[in-house]
Amino acid sequence: AQTVTQSQPEMSVQEAETVTLSCTYDTSENNYYLFWYKQPPSRQMILVIRQEAYKQQNATENRFSVNFQKAAKSFSLKISDSQLGDTAMYFCAFMNGNAGNMLTFGGGTRLMVKP
Amino acid sequence: GAGVSQTPSNKVTEKGKYVELRCDPISGHTALYWYRQSLGQGPEFLIYFQGTGAADDSGLPNDRFFAVRPEGSVSTLKIQRTERGDSAVYLCASSRDYNEQFFGPGTRLTVL
Repeated sequence: AQTVTQSQPEMSVQEAETVTLSCTYDTSENNYYLFWYKQPPSRQMILVIRQEAYKQQNATENRFSVNFQKAAKSFSLKISDSQLGDTAMYFCAFMNGNAGNMLTFGGGTRLMVKP
Repeated sequence: GAGVSQTPSNKVTEKGKYVELRCDPISGHTALYWYRQSLGQGPEFLIYFQGTGAADDSGLPNDRFFAVRPEGSVSTLKIQRTERGDSAVYLCASSRDYNEQFFGPGTRLTVL
């Protein structure tokens, strides 16, 4: 079974600055995908960024980028130029590419962007 | 196009009652997932449909929980003899491929 751990229950950052959210996972699989989801108070989970395990290049989506360290089983999210609208819960998630495609989520990090 | 919709948005029921939660996936998405999110935690997988059949129901906590997707589109999660521990947000997601799941806004279930 896979496990996903987010060790930072809460984080805060000043508007326009950079913040990094941590995520580690445990798996014996080689074919898998990693995701970061954002959940604002509206409850809707929104995909922020995804990473295929077979790709060495770190994924980037505008202000969001990841640091994927496969050997260390680490998958951190960097948010640059933080905006007030980034305030939300952030969840790291793992998908086993060989079985079922269901997501295994971490416990989440609450991010507060301060003006 | 329309996203994943879930009804009701909120449901309050009494212990021991039966409830049904509905999910309308994005049109054309063959895969549908149910997750349960307890307060302050990440979502936990319940069941996964590929088309009309339940491909994996290993996350259902006990036999009080059941889900159907009779025509391969809308799905209903059914909970019998509700208990206070069932109180949570129930999230539905759909996908066309295994790269991205699109989530609905969830149903907040409160069992008194």
